[in-house]
Amino acid sequence: GIQVEQSPPDLILQEGANSTLRCNFSDSVNNLQWFHQNPWGQLINLFYIPSGTKQNGRLSATTVATERYSLLYISSSQTTDSGVYFCAVFPTSGTYKYIFGTGTRLKVLA
Amino acid sequence: DSGVTQTPKHLITATGQRVTLRCSPRSGDLSVYWYQQSLDQGLQFLIQYYNGEERAKGNILERFSAQQFPDLHSELNLSSLELGDSALYFCASSGGGVNYNEQFFGPGTRLTVL
Repeated sequence: GIQVEQSPPDLILQEGANSTLRCNFSDSVNNLQWFHQNPWGQLINLFYIPSGTKQNGRLSATTVATERYSLLYISSSQTTDSGVYFCAVFPTSGTYKYIFGTGTRLKVLA
Repeated sequence: DSGVTQTPKHLITATGQRVTLRCSPRSGDLSVYWYQQSLDQGLQFLIQYYNGEERAKGNILERFSAQQFPDLHSELNLSSLELGDSALYFCASSGGGVNYNEQFFGPGTRLTVL
């Protein structure tokens, strides 16, 4: 089945720093989503981005489907950005289900 | 608030017992998905229902079952519980928005099996 790898696995930043999180997938996908799981366990939708670039405030994402990767950019990080960031892909082939990556655990220090 | 509701928020039970988790999708969404998140396994897809019918199955144990009712709410039944079933169980829904397959997650039910 499709493999979804995220890097880095862990990231510690000072408040105000920028970061780039990466999601690589091993097969073609129809959809891709980025989620933020906050310290209370809630999964929050960040982007639905099967291809192209989107921006929402300090966050932006780019998916290059032909090269099988997606990037999540966080600028001017805040302590509330702490948590785990997951990408989830919906493979083109196979059954209807999302496959989640292993996540990037981000800690932003004040 | 995603619009997806799950009850209960927390559940503590003993091995061998049976529990039912409930999910109400966002208004207009026909698809409901169940996921399990445990410490050592990450987020694992369990099962999907679309408008009352099972559509996709993941790594769901035979001790687990689910259904989606005519009003589109869904229940996940977990029986003969084992310690390893302790996890966060999420429900997600999709289908009613601009992006048909975009999934929105509920707050989760944290199950602890003692």
